[in-house]
Amino acid sequence: QVTLKESGPVLVKPTETLTLTCTVSGFSLSDARMGVSWIRQPPGKALEWLAHIFSNDEKSYSTSLKNRLTISKDTSKGQVVLTMTNMDPVDTATYYCARIPAITMVRGIIPATYFDYWGQGTLVTVSS
Amino acid sequence: QSALTQPRSVSGSPGQSVTISCTGTSSDVGGYNYVSWYQQHPGKAPKLMIYDVSKRPSGVPDRFSGSKSANTASLTISGLQAEDEADYYCCSYAGSFTFVFGTGTKVTVL
Repeated sequence: QVTLKESGPVLVKPTETLTLTCTVSGFSLSDARMGVSWIRQPPGKALEWLAHIFSNDEKSYSTSLKNRLTISKDTSKGQVVLTMTNMDPVDTATYYCARIPAITMVRGIIPATYFDYWGQGTLVTVSS
Repeated sequence: QSALTQPRSVSGSPGQSVTISCTGTSSDVGGYNYVSWYQQHPGKAPKLMIYDVSKRPSGVPDRFSGSKSANTASLTISGLQAEDEADYYCCSYAGSFTFVFGTGTKVTVL
């Protein structure tokens, strides 16, 4: 059974750095071409993709936020970590982690381009 | 990466069909056959409903279907049911393993 669970602070102050952890089970972060993304959703607003990390440690970031984001993983712990610097009240949101599976094709294993399992999300409020 | 454009809301009576559009550019929706759709009930995490434009994951009713033409993708819900009332988001691959979501559409079952 695949599960993802986000954890981290409920409240951060402006200018602080946010660190969130996604703990996965039911699959391994070392599985070929498997990956995990972070996605956020401000209250009452739309989803926004933030960052992705593959099993081989390749990473990708949102163009608009890349200067503030760092994604990393600890495969042995089954954890993916997102840090976001210089937090602002507009960063108040529910932060989700989601899996992008690997699919087996004739030419080999490739990453899918959709999110098949999501965590429950964690609400982070930025306020002094 | 600008958000994909969706109508703010659509509505229909039980049994009717509704279609949600998702408009992007040639750099995202139009450039790849990698559009997915997610259903989100209040206070819940999104759920994958359609991937690769028109494929349905196991367990998703065949009332849900997807299509794409040029820079616009669409999600159609046929035989609308009360439990379909939710927010729906499209998502497109945008190259270099980046993604862009839509603005979201609230579906109301009258």
